[in-house]
Amino acid sequence: QVQLQESGPGLVKPSETLSLTCTVSGASISSYYWSWLRQPPGKALEWIGYIYYSERTNYNPSLKSRVTISIDTSKNQFSLELSSVTAADTAVYYCARSKTMVRGVQKFDPWGQGTLVTVSS
Amino acid sequence: DIQMTQSPSSLSASIGDRVTITCRTSQSISNYLNWYQHKPGKAPKLLISAAYSLESGDPSRFSGSGSGTDFTLTISSLQPEDFATYYCQQSFSSPWTFGQGTKVEIK
Repeated sequence: QVQLQESGPGLVKPSETLSLTCTVSGASISSYYWSWLRQPPGKALEWIGYIYYSERTNYNPSLKSRVTISIDTSKNQFSLELSSVTAADTAVYYCARSKTMVRGVQKFDPWGQGTLVTVSS
Repeated sequence: DIQMTQSPSSLSASIGDRVTITCRTSQSISNYLNWYQHKPGKAPKLLISAAYSLESGDPSRFSGSGSGTDFTLTISSLQPEDFATYYCQQSFSSPWTFGQGTKVEIK
């Protein structure tokens, strides 16, 4: 079955760039849509953005100026970079797949277990 | 963005209880709503899509209903493995948004 696993530093300093990687197993990344989401402590889940295997991207307008999502089909991985982080970016970060982004059919399935990233000096 | 309001934020229930969680959206979204189950330390899991379509392999005690702006997730007879946090998510328009979650705890 398809499995996703997030990896990356658990601690990032303010003003620096947060970088995470999601490794996909059990399926080729060369299809479908691959998203990053996050959940700050005590807050709702927030969709950050997605990349399609053709490298087409779509970002949440609330984060668009600071987000870059990229894909490496040779490694079956996709990555997140979030620049100029502050304490407000402290969250559990998840990666997830969507087979489509068509209205009404879109859903996130499956997800990774998530990784906690803390922004602190 | 479409705002999602889930209630209650938490509830305590006993094994065998019927549990109902509601999700309200800030605008009509037809039946374009998904539900997820999240257990601590595990990956969130898609439970119901398009408001009432139960994912393959999931127990029939879970059901979803609603359309427009008001939706419900029902667990007909709570089992020990159902203690988790449940989230709704709208699939009507990007950016996709989620409810705050409902934590189901043991009474």
